[in-house]
This record gives sequence, structure tokens and C-alpha cells, in this order.
Amino acid sequence: AQSVTQLGSHVSVSEGALVLLRCNYSSSVPPYLFWYVQYPNQGLQLLLKYTSAATLVKGINGFEAEFKKSETSFHLTKPSAHMSDAAEYFCAVTEGWAGTALIFGKGTTLSVSS
Amino acid sequence: NAGVTQTPKFQVLKTGQSMTLQCAQDMNHNSMYWYRQDPGMGLRLIYYSASEGTTDKGEVPNGYNVSRLNKREFSLRLESAAPSQTSVYFCASSISRGSVPEAFFGQGTRLTVV
Repeated sequence: AQSVTQLGSHVSVSEGALVLLRCNYSSSVPPYLFWYVQYPNQGLQLLLKYTSAATLVKGINGFEAEFKKSETSFHLTKPSAHMSDAAEYFCAVTEGWAGTALIFGKGTTLSVSS
Repeated sequence: NAGVTQTPKFQVLKTGQSMTLQCAQDMNHNSMYWYRQDPGMGLRLIYYSASEGTTDKGEVPNGYNVSRLNKREFSLRLESAAPSQTSVYFCASSISRGSVPEAFFGQGTRLTVV
């Protein structure tokens, strides 16, 4: 069965600092992996997705994530945090074939201070 | 292009009342999902429908029923609401573009059961 673990429910950084949000997954087959962002009182927006085409994936707003099969990880990074990055971030996994659902981690709230 | 539309956006129910949350997508997607979001729990899958005419239970199906009315619409029904069902409910839909099942989300329904 597929599952996702996000390490750290809350991460705080200073503006301009590196952002690192951790995600580990479990899947019996090569997975599809996603990072979504949720701003307060809004729905979820796709940041980036891993499709096996490349292990380093670039997304919107300067975020990127690296797929490491040996570590079963898909950590999200951004070199320099902005105040506008403050939000909740969700990692998700699916095995992708018809009939499988998208499974989410519990989320990490990112706070950015000036 | 509206994407995924959920109605209503807010609802207050008394314990024991019933209601149906509506979801419609106009992207010709095959799969549709219902999630609930609770603080610290991430998004938990209630039910999903891989295609028109099929539905499957997710992680937390108890107390809910669903109907895939047609390809566009996927409704979630609470037959006898309980305070434990106070949550934010999200509907999502997805299709494989190539082979990537990217999901799109509605704006959510905030439900309070008193």
C-alpha cells in the first residue's frame, strides 16, 4: 500500500533562508509524486510533480524537488524564502494506474519571518 | 473554464440532519475524489471514483455515501451528521495526461455540525 510521511508539521525560516520540507514515501511500484501548496482558506494548488522523466523536478514559484529512490524521498526545496511562501505544503503519492487514489501526507506549515 | 466546482461553500448542520455536498468538473476527467481536511491530519480520502459508474472506499468512509451521477458530477452525502464530521471537504478530479494523474481541487466546503 502506498503512503506518505512528512517530517515536521511546522517549519520556520527567515526571509532569504533555504526552505527544506521533507517527504518520504512508500509504494510497491514506481510512484508518481506531487507537492501541493495551500494558502489560507483556499484549495490546493499543484507546485510540482515527479513523473520519472527526471529526478530533479522544477516547479512554480522557485521550488524544486529531488526524487531519490534509494532513500524513498522527495524533499521540497527553495534557495531563498519569501514572505509569500508562508502556507501549508502537502506531499502526495499515487501508483497511477486506473483505480488508485492520490494519498496525502499530513502537511507541513511553513512560516517565514522577516 | 470553471475547473472543479463545489457547493455549498459553507454549511452548518444540527446533529442528525442530512445533506449532500455537490461537486462538478468540466475538464472531462475520469477520476473524482472526496477528501476531508482536519488540523494535523492532512487530507484523508473518503471515497473515490475511478470512472463513471464505479466508486471505492477510501481511508475514512464511515458515515458517508457517494454517487457518481455522470462523468461530470460526484456527490457526497451525510445521512445523519455527527459533530465528528465537522471538517473542510474537498472534491478533486484527475486524468492521466500521458501517464501523470495530476489532480485538480475545488475550493472546499466548510461544514460545521453542532
